[in-house]
Amino acid sequence: SYELIQPPSVSVSPGQTARITCSGDALPQKYAYWYQQKSGQVPVLVIYEDDKRPSEIPEKFSGSSSGTVATLTISGAQVDDEADYYCYSTDSSGNHGGVFGGGTKLTVL
Amino acid sequence: QVHLIQSGAEVKKPGASVKVSCKVSGLSLNKVSMHWVRQAPGQGLEWMGGFEPEDGETIFAQKFQGRVSVTEDTSAETAYLQVNRLTSEDTATYYCATGAMALWGQGTRVIVSS
Repeated sequence: SYELIQPPSVSVSPGQTARITCSGDALPQKYAYWYQQKSGQVPVLVIYEDDKRPSEIPEKFSGSSSGTVATLTISGAQVDDEADYYCYSTDSSGNHGGVFGGGTKLTVL
Repeated sequence: QVHLIQSGAEVKKPGASVKVSCKVSGLSLNKVSMHWVRQAPGQGLEWMGGFEPEDGETIFAQKFQGRVSVTEDTSAETAYLQVNRLTSEDTATYYCATGAMALWGQGTRVIVSS
């Protein structure tokens, strides 16, 4: 079955840029979406269609995709950005099923 | 403003079925593409199924095929997820989400325990 691979954890100091990657064979053909989930809360969409940002999401969040790797970038990360981040995409085979990456825990300290 | 309002927590015995509801408020149900996602305690998000516009139908992740179904009551603007033959591994919070999963329900906790 199709998989999206994320690093389990990323750690940065406050004010630094955090980059979280998501690898998947179908990403050259399929969009990546990124979700932020803070502890005990419902996930929030932060990036859609590789690099688009919902209007309510701060500009510090950006996305890109090149080849089989999509990247979520958080500029000037702060303690409030600590969360689990999940990428999501769909399979390019006949099933068209969706899949989430395993999630990346972002620590800012 | 659009909201997704889910039903309350459930406790079920192994082998039973559970039906989770998701009411759409502020928009017509037939104008949304609904997805279902679950999250086991301490685990990541797991996509269960969703409406695929290319196919014009709801499709499910392979591991759920044959055990999960979705239905809709358009008069009540409510979608339902039913999971059959529950095991302890189905203990999780179940979410409905729509759009590009830009909008999520509050989640329904399902506990499967004998």
